[in-house]
Amino acid sequence: GDSVTQMEGPVTLSEEAFLTINCTYTATGYPSLFWYVQYPGEGLQLLLKATKADDKGSNKGFEATYRKETTSFHLEKGSVQVSDSAVYFCALSRDSGTYKYIFGTGTRLKVLA
Amino acid sequence: NAGVTQTPKFQVLKTGQSMTLQCAQDMNHNSMYWYRQDPGMGLRLIYYSASEGTTDKGEVPNGYNVSRLNKREFSLRLESAAPSQTSVYFCASQGAVTEAFFGQGTRLTVV
Repeated sequence: GDSVTQMEGPVTLSEEAFLTINCTYTATGYPSLFWYVQYPGEGLQLLLKATKADDKGSNKGFEATYRKETTSFHLEKGSVQVSDSAVYFCALSRDSGTYKYIFGTGTRLKVLA
Repeated sequence: NAGVTQTPKFQVLKTGQSMTLQCAQDMNHNSMYWYRQDPGMGLRLIYYSASEGTTDKGEVPNGYNVSRLNKREFSLRLESAAPSQTSVYFCASQGAVTEAFFGQGTRLTVV
């Protein structure tokens, strides 16, 4: 079945460091890929998405490129801030009608001042 | 703009008690979902509703029932709570061409 694998956390970085959170997926066909972010005490918010191979999603300085050849969708940011501390979820959606997401286990990021 | 509203935010139940988690959205979305979030397991789909009047099982439906009361509301019921149902529950809604929007969650503890 479909699945999403994320790097385990927690990830602890100093402010202005470079961030990479790895995400790989297994799915038939051509799923859409997403990164959601969950700030403490809140629900999930869409951070970025890509719907086809080679698409790059970007938002708030975060980027991820849909790589079909490596079945990956790694999240990157050039310079993290304390306010980026959160849990990040990679997800895929394969159904074209009802978007039933399959989520990774989440990666907790802590950024130190 | 309220988005997706869940109630209650916190709840403690004794084993065997029942309760209903409420969810309402004001975005006129057709699809609504219930997920549970457990440490190390991400979010898992319990039930979903593709449109008013329809519901379907997700990955982990056992021990739960749902009702799509109208287009706005989608409730999740635990008939006889068990400690294994201790979790954080998220409701989400989605339009035809939009991403899913999530509520703030309900933290449920079953003792």
